[in-house]
Amino acid sequence: GDSVTQMEGPVTLSEEAFLTINCTYTATGYPSLFWYVQYPGEGLQLLLKATKADDKGSNKGFEATYRKETTSFHLEKGSVQVSDSAVYFCALRYGNNRLAFGKGNQVVVIP
Amino acid sequence: ETGVTQTPRHLVMGMTNKKSLKCEQHLGHNAMYWYKQSAKKPLELMFVYNFKEQTENNSVPSRFSPECPNSSHLFLHLHTLQPEDSALYLCASSQDGPGQRGGRSGELFFGEGSRLTVL
Repeated sequence: GDSVTQMEGPVTLSEEAFLTINCTYTATGYPSLFWYVQYPGEGLQLLLKATKADDKGSNKGFEATYRKETTSFHLEKGSVQVSDSAVYFCALRYGNNRLAFGKGNQVVVIP
Repeated sequence: ETGVTQTPRHLVMGMTNKKSLKCEQHLGHNAMYWYKQSAKKPLELMFVYNFKEQTENNSVPSRFSPECPNSSHLFLHLHTLQPEDSALYLCASSQDGPGQRGGRSGELFFGEGSRLTVL
């Protein structure tokens, strides 16, 4: 079935460093793709999305480009802040408005 | 504040107890969802309700019993749970939910979750 795979393990980096979190997907057709973020003690919230190939989603300095040829939707930010510390989930939409989520990546930004 | 409120935020229960989780959405959405979030596992979709009707049950054990009295409220009744059921239970809602024609935004609005510990 349709699924997403995120890179293993937490990500720890220093403030102002470049962040990349990898996400690849397996799907029939071309599903919409999403990144959700979960700050400590909170639920998930939509960070950005892309609905077709070559679309770039962006929000709060984060970007992700829908790459059909590599079936990827990697999340990037050029200069992270401590406030970006959170868990990031990649997701795709399938069927009747269902979302399949990846396992999530814990990002810790050190001052 | 996402417009989706879950109570209680934390719950500790024994395996023989009966308890309920509550979710309320103030967004006027027509679809509501229960997800289970366990450590190091993808979010698991448990139940989906659309216009108060259950449209999906992902092989969830019967010790979890959902109830949706109206489009704004969703409950998860718990009884005779197991320690492995300990997890964060997330409620979500969306507009243009499953089965709706036109405009499937895919954006789910989540509550903050109910952290359940089964002893």
